[in-house]
Amino acid sequence: QSVLTQPPSVSGAPGQRVTISCTGSSSNIGAGYDVYWYQQLPGTAPKVLMSGNSNRPSGVPDRFSGSKSGTSASLAITGLQAEDEADYYCQSYDISLSSWVFGGGTKLTVL
Amino acid sequence: EVQLVESGGGLVQPGGSLRLSCAASGFTFSSNWMSWVRQAPGKGLEWVANIKQDGSEKHHVDSVKGRFTISRDNAKNSLYLQMNSLRAEDTAMYYCARRIAATATGGYFQHWGQGTLVTVSS
Repeated sequence: QSVLTQPPSVSGAPGQRVTISCTGSSSNIGAGYDVYWYQQLPGTAPKVLMSGNSNRPSGVPDRFSGSKSGTSASLAITGLQAEDEADYYCQSYDISLSSWVFGGGTKLTVL
Repeated sequence: EVQLVESGGGLVQPGGSLRLSCAASGFTFSSNWMSWVRQAPGKGLEWVANIKQDGSEKHHVDSVKGRFTISRDNAKNSLYLQMNSLRAEDTAMYYCARRIAATATGGYFQHWGQGTLVTVSS
């Protein structure tokens, strides 16, 4: 059971918009810690997709956007493309656990 | 270009030991916190350990405390993870990562290596 909760899977057709939620608590996201998002393509290492809740690193398309509110965060992907098919993870820090924590991951399928 | 190259993984029996290494290049290694993150086969990501720039501060996830030790050699631009008393549940791909953070808490893992696979089995 992950400290940060994500839906196991989401799907969408090419060109559509999908969102992936990340629900935490008052000891992590709700405590003011930033949320980060990673994309893991099949057979590869994770890559940072979003830093500081909503900041896109250089090279990440503006089709990806992040937001945070209260004890939750979300990643939105617009204009879905086949190459977006991957696992997505949120990450934050938990002050009660004194630990860096990840969500369980969400598998995005492009139909 | 930032590069992180892990090595040292392999098959080990339960109760055995293994030392993972990570060779870093393309950035000022001694100026960065560094981390290990693991991923069990078919599972999600789990943070394992962090170490401060000068090695004076270390953090380990509870499940490995007393068994794993993170260390670094800034002269060699290298990060290490000494793993003792290994268990089947430690089987995972182990990633070396460059941590970006303004303080001792928070932050994220900006760059990742390709990983080294550790399998604990008899």
